[in-house]
Order: sequence, then structure tokens, then C-alpha cells
Amino acid sequence: AQSVTQLGSHVSVSEGALVLLRCNYSSSVPPYLFWYVQYPNQGLQLLLKYTSAATLVKGINGFEAEFKKSETSFHLTKPSAHMSDAAEYFCAVSGYGSSNTGKLIFGQGTTLQVKP
Amino acid sequence: DGGITQSPKYLFRKEGQNVTLSCEQNLNHDAMYWYRQDPGQGLRLIYYSQIVNDFQKGDIAEGYSVSREKKESFPLTVTSAQKNPTAFYLCASSIVAGREQYFGPGTRLTVT
Repeated sequence: AQSVTQLGSHVSVSEGALVLLRCNYSSSVPPYLFWYVQYPNQGLQLLLKYTSAATLVKGINGFEAEFKKSETSFHLTKPSAHMSDAAEYFCAVSGYGSSNTGKLIFGQGTTLQVKP
Repeated sequence: DGGITQSPKYLFRKEGQNVTLSCEQNLNHDAMYWYRQDPGQGLRLIYYSQIVNDFQKGDIAEGYSVSREKKESFPLTVTSAQKNPTAFYLCASSIVAGREQYFGPGTRLTVT
């Protein structure tokens, strides 16, 4: 079954430190990949997307992600964490096949805590 | 100003009552989706619609119903058959199915 795995349900970093949120996916066709951010009691906001163009994708709020086909990964990074980055982050992959076409398959989410 | 609206933000109902959650988009998107979010469980797909007058069940459709009579609107009814309806409900749309989805602000439903 198609899946997205986000390693680490909780990640804690200090303000100013590197943020690295990990995402691995399964897909036997070239995927579209997405990262979303969710603040408490709000909807999800699209951070960035990979749609088979450049493998390094830049998004909003200083985030970027690199598509690595050989590793089936799409990790999200930010060089310097800010307190406002504290939120939940979701990785998603475009579905394929009879049961998943038309859908996005979401990971379980990673909560990012930023310590002062 | 284009976007997705969900109303109301908070909704309270008594057990045994059906309740309808509103989702409207003015992005001219073909596809629309409903998700349920519970603490620690991520997003679970309830129903989705790739085009007007058509919709498919998601992973947890039991106890829910939808309609898609207009491109802009995709209301979700939580019926009394849904055993645990208290949750945060998110609506989303995408220009075509399978592309990036844009989410509304969500409706928090509490059933007592």
C-alpha cells in the first residue's frame, strides 16, 4: 500500500538551530510531493511542493525540501528556527493506482517545538 | 479574495442529531475533499469529489454523507450513525484531483 512515513512524531530544536523534518514515501510512479504546516485550531497551509521540476524546492517562511529519488525521501529543512515555526508539519504524496488516484496520502505529522 | 470557507468554526450538537458542515470555495477548483482530524491521528479522508455531481468514499465514510451539486460547494452531513462524531473537520480543494490541496480553516464539532 502506498504510504508516507515521517520519522519522529515530535522534534525539538533551539531557536536559531537547523530544522530537519524527515519524510520518506512509497511510490512506483514519479510522485508529486508536498509539505504542509498546521498551527493549532487552523487548517493546513501549503509550505512547498515538488512536481518533477527542480529537485531542491524552496517554499514559504524560509523552508526548503530536497527530492531524492534514490532514497525516496523529501526532507524539510530550515537553516535557522524561529519561535513562530512551532507547529505541526505534514508530508504528503500524490496517490496513484485504482484506490488512491485523485487523493493525497498524508504522513502522520511531526510536531516541531522551538525552545528559546 | 479567493479561498475556502468553512462555517461555523465551532458547532455543538446533541447525540442523535444530524448536522451539516458547510464548505465553499471560489478558486474554481474541480476537486474537493473532507478530512477528519483527531488528536494524534493525523488526517483521515472521509469523502472526496473530483468533479461536480460525482463523489467517492474515502477511508472512513461510514456515518457521513456528502453532495456535490455545485462546483463551489461540498457540504458534509454527519449523521446519527457516526459513532464518534466529535472531531476537527477540514475541507480542502485542488484545481484537479491529485494536485496540491488548499485547506479551509476547519470546523470543530462537539457532540454530547
